[in-house]
Amino acid sequence: EVQLVESGGGLVQPGGSLRLSCAASGFTFSSYEMNWVRQAPGKGLEWVSYISSSGSTIYYADSVKGRFTISRDNAKNSLYLQMNSLRAEDTAVYYCARVKPYYYDSSGYHAPYYFDYWGQGTLVTVSS
Amino acid sequence: EIVLTQSPATLSLSPGERATLSCRASQSVSSYLAWYQQKPGQAPRLLIYDASNRATGIPARFSGSGSGTDFTLTISSLEPEDFAVYYCQQRSNWSYSFGQGTKLEIK
Repeated sequence: EVQLVESGGGLVQPGGSLRLSCAASGFTFSSYEMNWVRQAPGKGLEWVSYISSSGSTIYYADSVKGRFTISRDNAKNSLYLQMNSLRAEDTAVYYCARVKPYYYDSSGYHAPYYFDYWGQGTLVTVSS
Repeated sequence: EIVLTQSPATLSLSPGERATLSCRASQSVSSYLAWYQQKPGQAPRLLIYDASNRATGIPARFSGSGSGTDFTLTISSLEPEDFAVYYCQQRSNWSYSFGQGTKLEIK
């Protein structure tokens, strides 16, 4: 069974730092692209960051670029998000999400553009 | 950046009725669009990908259609467990975006 379990959330002051972790199990973690997606209280979903299976390719949303760093340790089946210079608007539940891999079938090519498994989320609150 | 606009914001229907949710992209995303369902206190769940393919374990009452800029999620006959918030999502130029969501509530 695929499982993604986030941890590391909590209350932090503006300007502070926090490191989130996502422990993966039930699949070959090193073969999958991963993402962080967040959701502010009562709001919609916002993509935060992407990392390729090897960790060699990384992308960020403009809202976190230069402040957040995504990384992974395939030997430990873990995904991380280092969050620095936190702001009140970073307050959200942070989800790790696995990318559904591409495949071919009778209807053609299916792109690796979607999130097929999500963790339960960890709440980050930025407040003084 | 591609913006996804969902309508309506809220849809009030009764169990057994048909639900039609819309997602419009600010520019073409071909057929690379997904739909997710989210219930209170839960993570989102992938329902539909590539505009019309049901994800594993998703009931046949859920269907998706569309291409280019206009997409539709249809629930043929609403079950009590279908009342939730629904999001569309796309990826382009190594950036992902979600629509703002449609809340499907019991009338």
